[in-house]
Amino acid sequence: DQQVKQNSPSLSVQEGRISILNCDYTNSMFDYFLWYKKYPAEGPTFLISISSIKDKNEDGRFTVFLNKSAKHLSLHIVPSQPGDSAVYFCAASEGFGNEKLTFGTGTRLTIIP
Amino acid sequence: DTGVSQDPRHKITKRGQNVTFRCDPISEHNRLYWYRQTLGQGPEFLTYFQNEAQLEKSRLLSDRFSAERPKGSFSTLEIQRTEQGDSAMYLCASSSSDRATNEKLFFGSGTQLSVL
Repeated sequence: DQQVKQNSPSLSVQEGRISILNCDYTNSMFDYFLWYKKYPAEGPTFLISISSIKDKNEDGRFTVFLNKSAKHLSLHIVPSQPGDSAVYFCAASEGFGNEKLTFGTGTRLTIIP
Repeated sequence: DTGVSQDPRHKITKRGQNVTFRCDPISEHNRLYWYRQTLGQGPEFLTYFQNEAQLEKSRLLSDRFSAERPKGSFSTLEIQRTEQGDSAMYLCASSSSDRATNEKLFFGSGTQLSVL
């Protein structure tokens, strides 16, 4: 069963506009969430995280929003830049410490110049 | 560069053969993880070590898979009697157990295994 779902396999956004990537989860025990970015032929790299005690975390152009009641989180990138083109994975764990992350299937983001 | 290093980058083998992959974590990290990623899927957790102790294994890790981390430094992942379903990208990651800094995993570039 897919406990972390990214229902949009791909997304195209104009450079300078906002990119919004969505993620849903089903496991109520998840309380720590992360976003990773992956370029071809490279391993995933950490982008931003959020604990369940918060509903928003911001780091530069990246903001993650968490709606616990809806079991939904989203990543906002603004403004979008060509270098943001990559596959984005949402991940979750049962507690800070990330011993075992459960990843979604990823969303391929393409920024159009 | 002191990132996570994996060797080899690519491995092609015939069904039934044994393969071994190596991972060198970031030197100051005491936690090491193995994940597997198949086409169109996200990485799936396989196992993790804290120092030399293997603390958790996924049910995905069948008896044909074995991981070691002697002396708490590098790690090896061996697959015996490979099957076509083992074809995947095998990712290694490391982190620190220091709660002040262990927010994220650092991944290597992976070993792409193709079983013919």
